[in-house]
Amino acid sequence: EVQLLESGGGLVQPGGSLRLSCAASGFTFSSYAINWVRQAPGKGLEWVSVISGSGGSTHYADSVKGRFTISRDNVKNTLYLQMNSLRVEDTAVYYCARPASGWATWDYWGQGTLVTVSS
Amino acid sequence: DIQMTQSPSSLSASIGDRVTITCRASQTISSFLNWYQQKSGKAPKLLIYAASSLQSGVPSRFSGSGSGTDFTLSISSLQPEDFATYYCQQSYTTPYTFGQGTKLEIK
Repeated sequence: EVQLLESGGGLVQPGGSLRLSCAASGFTFSSYAINWVRQAPGKGLEWVSVISGSGGSTHYADSVKGRFTISRDNVKNTLYLQMNSLRVEDTAVYYCARPASGWATWDYWGQGTLVTVSS
Repeated sequence: DIQMTQSPSSLSASIGDRVTITCRASQTISSFLNWYQQKSGKAPKLLIYAASSLQSGVPSRFSGSGSGTDFTLSISSLQPEDFATYYCQQSYTTPYTFGQGTKLEIK
């Protein structure tokens, strides 16, 4: 059974940093690009970032480019999102999502982890 | 960036009704269009991929159509479990973008 389990969320002050993790199981992790998608409280879905299966290719939303870094450890079957220079508007539930095929048709999602940026 | 515009933003309907939600892309995306259902406090669920393909396990009352810039999601006979928020999403190019969502409520 495919499972994605996010962790690392919490309360952080503006300008602070946080690292999210997404532990994967039930599939060959290195064969899939994995994405981060977020949802601010009461708002819609926003794609954040994607990393290729090998980790050699990454893409980011303009809203996080230069502040967030996506990475993966294909031995530990874990995806990461290092978030620096956090802003109030980064407050959201962060989901990791695996595509059925390609990079961006997401058939498996984690349960999400809440990041709150507030002073 | 490709803008995705959904309509309506909210919709009130009754059990057994047929409903249609539309999604328009700001430029052509071929058939790189997915539909998701999201219930409160839960992760989104993939319903339709590649504009018209039904995801495994999704009831056949859900269907999708369209290509290019204009797409629709239809639910043929609403069931109680269908009341949720629906999002379209383009998978054509990064940044992958979503519509603003359509909240389907019980009349």
